Amino acid sequence: SAVISQKPSRDICQRGTSLTIQCQVDSQVTMMFWYRQQPGQSLTLIATANQGSEATYESGFVIDKFPISRPNLTFSTLTVSNMSPEDSSIYLCSVFDGAARAFFGQGTRLTVV
Amino acid sequence: AQSVTQLDSQVPVFEEAPVELRCNYSSSVSVYLFWYVQYPNQGLQLLLKYLSGSTLVKGINGFEAEFNKSQTSFHLRKPSVHISDTAEYFCAVSLISSGSARQLTFGSGTQLTVLP
Repeated sequence: SAVISQKPSRDICQRGTSLTIQCQVDSQVTMMFWYRQQPGQSLTLIATANQGSEATYESGFVIDKFPISRPNLTFSTLTVSNMSPEDSSIYLCSVFDGAARAFFGQGTRLTVV
Repeated sequence: AQSVTQLDSQVPVFEEAPVELRCNYSSSVSVYLFWYVQYPNQGLQLLLKYLSGSTLVKGINGFEAEFNKSQTSFHLRKPSVHISDTAEYFCAVSLISSGSARQLTFGSGTQLTVLP
């Protein structure tokens, strides 16, 4: 199994500012995944973060808006840049263990005003 | 690319009645299949998964799902629901690469509401 500590758990931010979300895993993992869950919606993959290389972004998401860092095998950050109200969502990080079970952080509930 | 379709956005059911939440997927390659539950204001919790082997998989809280390759379905069932089962349920698939799961693609979710 894997335990993920994600912070902050929630934040209210002014439009035009940036927020950095942190995820710490209790074991080493090759890939970490960042998802967005907009209000009343399902989860959408933003990007895959690999240690030692640039993140791989899904269609509709760009590095300038969602820069990701992956300095080691247990930690990653996602920054939501130049925020607008449309960025109000829950952001989650996720990892797989060796038994193909995905574990999720508790999420960061972001409100942009 | 893979996709997941959950045919019912909302399923109301009376307590102690059986329930089936439907999930169909599309993929040109082999995938792993999952069901997750999200209780109000909580994170995602894995209910069950299908990787290989027996097509009937049992999960937590009395849920089970059956993988049907010919129909590309992975429907979730419970023979008798409780009020506490009220939650959002997500079906998801993962590509397999080098024997390992990759990123998840989620369905749109099904809100299960158990009525007294």
